[in-house]
Amino acid sequence: KNEVEQSPQNLTAQEGEFITINCSYSVGISALHWLQQHPGGGIVSLFMLSSGKKKHGRLIATINIQEKHSSLHITASHPRDSAVYICAAATPDSNYQLIWGAGTKLIIKP
Amino acid sequence: EAQVTQNPRYLITVTGKKLTVTCSQNMNHEYMSWYRQDPGLGLRQIYYSMNVEVTDKGDVPEGYKVSRKEKRNFPLILESPSPNQTSLYFCASSPGTSGETDTQYFGPGTRLTVL
Repeated sequence: KNEVEQSPQNLTAQEGEFITINCSYSVGISALHWLQQHPGGGIVSLFMLSSGKKKHGRLIATINIQEKHSSLHITASHPRDSAVYICAAATPDSNYQLIWGAGTKLIIKP
Repeated sequence: EAQVTQNPRYLITVTGKKLTVTCSQNMNHEYMSWYRQDPGLGLRQIYYSMNVEVTDKGDVPEGYKVSRKEKRNFPLILESPSPNQTSLYFCASSPGTSGETDTQYFGPGTRLTVL
């Protein structure tokens, strides 16, 4: 069992829908990262959080430390949101490394 | 513009021919890292560096070397490339010395094919 698991693996939705991508982890963490990988391959950091909630534009990331679960939400989704979304966990004993989820491929249809 | 650059972006080579992929950042970041990304396996860390002359192995270091002689540069060296090193490679940097609790900035990627 992977220490960081994402669901779903693939998600197709219509433009305008509210999107939720989940990330569960089985280890204690010091921070949880969300990143976006564009269809062209480029990777961009979206959020890093260790508690609560962060918002940037139409993107919202939440984390529940007790439940070891984080979610990435996209409101009013748009085709340009189509990408792979990756979560990664930083653990106190990770020796300066992140534990990576496998990614969720999101397709938003017009 | 603050950025991480990688060169080359695409490379096709043959088994055994030494190659270097360069990585440079202009943000004065302490931490730099190399990843490879393969279908179904996600990102895997090859090597990382917390500062000049300080490097350490990641999860998949076999067949790779790195050096960090200057803060801005972190080249990835494949002394004798093999077909199983065909992959998409990313360099990343972050401000502090611990990459896991800082935002990471990624280069555009280098697609390497070893024949």
